[in-house]
Formats: sequence, structure tokens, C-alpha cells
Amino acid sequence: SAVISQKPSRDICQRGTSLTIQCQVDSQVTMMFWYRQQPGQSLTLIATANQGSEATYESGFVIDKFPISRPNLTFSTLTVSNMSPEDSSIYLCSVEDGAHRLGATQYFGPGTRLLVL
Amino acid sequence: AQTVTQSQPEMSVQEAETVTLSCTYDTSESNYYLFWYKQPPSRQMILVIRQEAYKQQNATENRFSVNFQKAAKSFSLKISDSQLGDTAMYFCAFGSYGKLTFGQGTILTVHP
Repeated sequence: SAVISQKPSRDICQRGTSLTIQCQVDSQVTMMFWYRQQPGQSLTLIATANQGSEATYESGFVIDKFPISRPNLTFSTLTVSNMSPEDSSIYLCSVEDGAHRLGATQYFGPGTRLLVL
Repeated sequence: AQTVTQSQPEMSVQEAETVTLSCTYDTSESNYYLFWYKQPPSRQMILVIRQEAYKQQNATENRFSVNFQKAAKSFSLKISDSQLGDTAMYFCAFGSYGKLTFGQGTILTVHP
């Protein structure tokens, strides 16, 4: 499976500021995904990022709050904008193994733990 | 839309014993995949096992196996010979074309 890294691993931010999280993969992948895991909760898909096109956002998530970039096949960023304490979560990126298809398996990065004060 | 339900918030088991984690799901799709992921205290999501819905044979991966009942929309995970390193949060997930829907998770603690 692909090796995925995320930066930063954790951060403490002040409300009203923005943080950009980076996700780097050691091989070219078609689709990259961003998830949020609020404290003690499950994972919720924020958006899907396909290289060369606009990210597709899930219900409840908007581009103004969570802008995503996907400049190439190995890299993506997620920005959490105008943060509030409710944004305190773990943010994870994931990639599919191989081509985008029905049975693609997702592998996850180590996550970015964000605390907003 | 799919829903995934894990009805056991917490489970515990003695080392070397067997434990089964439950998962049910609801979908109108006929072709899909099901997954179990574990998330240890390090927070890294790790794939445990994967099941194709069109296969009747239950998936097995070393000490991990599933009991997949498609008609009942049930997908339980059995961990045999439990080890201390199995202590983690376990998530059941429904997958179709890259979209994963996760259950609420079950915290499993393995006691020595």
C-alpha cells in the first residue's frame, strides 16, 4: 500500500485563524479523500479530490470553509478556515489503492490533530 | 444513502480468547464492499479486512475473519487468539466507488 504522510501532525490554533494541512503520497493516485474525526466520534467524509478538477464536497461541508487543492497526483491540501473550537478534530487524508473502482480500498495517513482555542 | 450501525460501544476480552464485533448496514445498492478498520491509540487507521458483497465466502486474514450475511445486512468481525496489540477502536465501513461510510466504532480492550 502507499505511504502517506501528513503535515502538521498536530497544531493548536486560535479561533478566527486558518490552518492548511498537507497530504503527501509516495506514488501517483487518482483520488484523495479528506475526513474529519471529531473527538470520540467516527470519521466523516469532507470531500473527494481528483487531480485536475474541483473537489466534490459532502453535505454539510462547503468550499469556503474547507478549501482543497490537488495540484498533482501525489499531493493535496485541506485548509480549515476561520476556525472555531467546534473545528477541533483529527483530520485524515486517504488514498485509493490503484484505479478508482467499485472495490477500491482506502489507506489512511496518520492524521492531523487540531485543537482550536 | 448508506447507514452503518455498530451497536457495541465497548467490548473487552481476555488475551488469547475470541471476540466478535457486530456491524449492520443498510443500503439499496447491490454491489459494494465492506471493511473493518482499526484505530489504535496512535490514531492511525489500519485496514483489518475487506469483503466483496458479491462473494458468499467469508474473508479471512490470519486471526481475523468475518461473518457476512448479505440478506441480513450483517458484517461481524471475529478476532481469534486476541493479543494485547489488538486493543483499539474498530470501525466497520461500507464502501462503493471510493466513498466510505463508517459506523460509530467499538472500543475493544484486550486484558492480560
